[in-house]
Amino acid sequence: EVQLVESGGGLVQPGGSLTLSCVDSGFSFSSIFMSWVRQAPGKGLEWVSYIYSGGSTYYADSVKGRFTISRDNSKNTLFLQMNSLTVEDTAVYYCAGGVTRHYFDYWGQGTLVTVSS
Amino acid sequence: EIVLTQSPGTLSLSPGERATLSCRASQSLSSSYLAWYLQKPGQAPRLLIYGASTRATGIPDRFSGSGSGTDFTLTISRLEPEDFAVYYCQHYGASPRVLTFGGGTKVEI
Repeated sequence: EVQLVESGGGLVQPGGSLTLSCVDSGFSFSSIFMSWVRQAPGKGLEWVSYIYSGGSTYYADSVKGRFTISRDNSKNTLFLQMNSLTVEDTAVYYCAGGVTRHYFDYWGQGTLVTVSS
Repeated sequence: EIVLTQSPGTLSLSPGERATLSCRASQSLSSSYLAWYLQKPGQAPRLLIYGASTRATGIPDRFSGSGSGTDFTLTISRLEPEDFAVYYCQHYGASPRVLTFGGGTKVEI
């Protein structure tokens, strides 16, 4: 059973950087397609980035060139390196995973990123 | 890039009533790549339906999904108190490789 726990959120100034982590305490992380999905306060869900079990990565246009997704299968951990942050990046960031790349069976509880001066 | 439009934005109903939620795509898409989620306040989303009509593990049979092409529907046959939440549809795009959510429908009492 996949169980996802995010960490690393917090307050950061515009232009700053932050790295989020997501640990899977289950036993099948390496075979799970993993993603980051965010939700701005009072808004809907927005897909941010995807990393396949084989390592291929994909990004939403809104974060391309600024965010980097990666995974360490030996540590059952997913990462999101976020650079050049703007106030529009303020959101709860969820890590989400699926046994296929088509949808998400598993979600973490989310970690809040606030970009403000 | 596909845009998903959900309607209505808010649905005001009572427990025991039937809820019909719509998700319309800007272009025809594969039913295999359409999913629905439920999100309660302060919680992460939860997968309800995948492949447009297959219920996820543990989802009660009062939830059903249907549709094809550009029009998809989530139906809740008899609303229970715990069903009042926000519902999102989601599409996986094979080319380009992007994932899209609809804007959500809030089902309220």
